[in-house]
Amino acid sequence: DQQVKQNSPSLSVQEGRISILNCDYTNSMFDYFLWYKKYPAEGPTFLISISSIKDKNEDGRFTVFLNKSAKHLSLHIVPSQPGDSAVYFCAASARGGSNYQLIWGAGTKLIIKP
Amino acid sequence: DAGITQSPRYKITETGRQVTLMCHQTWSHSYMFWYRQDLGHGLRLIYYSAAADITDKGEVPDGYVVSRSKTENFPLTLESATRSQTSVYFCASSENAGGNYGYTFGSGTRLTVV
Repeated sequence: DQQVKQNSPSLSVQEGRISILNCDYTNSMFDYFLWYKKYPAEGPTFLISISSIKDKNEDGRFTVFLNKSAKHLSLHIVPSQPGDSAVYFCAASARGGSNYQLIWGAGTKLIIKP
Repeated sequence: DAGITQSPRYKITETGRQVTLMCHQTWSHSYMFWYRQDLGHGLRLIYYSAAADITDKGEVPDGYVVSRSKTENFPLTLESATRSQTSVYFCASSENAGGNYGYTFGSGTRLTVV
């Protein structure tokens, strides 16, 4: 039972255009969401996050949108650059309780075409 | 150098052997985590630790043992390696468990069990 789903294994976008990566979740107790970026042979690096009390968070070229009613979040990258080619993971957490853990999606491989 | 380091980067071992993956962080972060990454599954938590001498199971703990006698070290031991444990293993650390500061990951250990 995957609580966090990234339904697109890969996405190809032209350089300079917008990249939109999607993530769906099933657990209504999740209250914090994060995006990580991963290059080959490296560990994931934290990119941007959003609390459930917000519906948008922006950091430079990266914006995350949260739609709680649809249990859906998306990461927008504008404009897309070649260095954005990587695997992007969505993760969610339900803070509180004694057994804490982040739940991760399977990842989406983003390819930026020149 | 400051950061989080994992060793070895690559390891090939035989079925039934014991193998230990090392993780060392220099930030004095309270929380440390071990994940495995497999195609189609994203990152799955094996064990985590909230402080020295405090460890707890994650989603997939069977076949693994951890210890944390010092804040900076969090070794992961496969007591009797099986082919299903072939994976890429990531260690991470964080100031808190809530994820809002993000996790910092090591570069990973690619383990092959033959």
